[in-house]
Amino acid sequence: DIQMTQSPSSVSASVGDRVTITCRASQGISSWLAWYQQKPGKAPKLLIYAASSLQSGVPSRFSGSGSGTDFTLTISSLQPEDFATYYCQQANSFPPYTFGQGTKLEIK
Amino acid sequence: EVQLVESGGGLVQPGGSLRLSCAASGFTFSSYWMSWVRQAPGKGLEWVANIKQDGSEKYYVDSVKGRFTISRDNAKNSLYLQMNSLRAEDTAVYYCARDFGDIVGLRYYYYGMDVWGQGTTVTVSS
Repeated sequence: DIQMTQSPSSVSASVGDRVTITCRASQGISSWLAWYQQKPGKAPKLLIYAASSLQSGVPSRFSGSGSGTDFTLTISSLQPEDFATYYCQQANSFPPYTFGQGTKLEIK
Repeated sequence: EVQLVESGGGLVQPGGSLRLSCAASGFTFSSYWMSWVRQAPGKGLEWVANIKQDGSEKYYVDSVKGRFTISRDNAKNSLYLQMNSLRAEDTAVYYCARDFGDIVGLRYYYYGMDVWGQGTTVTVSS
């Protein structure tokens, strides 16, 4: 199975800050990576697919980059509604489609 | 409105069984692969299983193989997860989700899961 490792596990930031979350795959996955946002008690929401494609309706302050084994999710200017937990998921090979362990973005 | 609504969760003893259902609406259910994803209390997301549009292909995470069965009824726009021989470690919120992908030539490219239900809670405890 492909292992996905996110860093950091948690991060504190302020409204207006630029934040970057990293996801590393245990083997190359080309650009087959998705990013999700999850708020407490809610279902995950797809933000980015194919490493850098913005899902319809997602604000442009979210962006993704990377290929191979190293990927990043960047939020250019944090808004109050962005405080949540973020997960990466490899979409290259299955079963299983593995997720990272999550990065909790908290208010500083 | 595109929607997925899960039901069937509850409290079950170890070794017991439970059948989860997911009702789809607002889109052509029979055109999509569908998945189940779970989240143990305070933990991250775990993909559990998925099923092809016509039910001809099914895939599972190793930890549930032989115990869980995914199925669908396209006439009823419904997805199911039959869970047998339940263990304490199966305790989680179970989400159904629509697989998001594209067909290029003869190949299906999976991008992720773009529609999710609200989840149903399964608790395995004596």
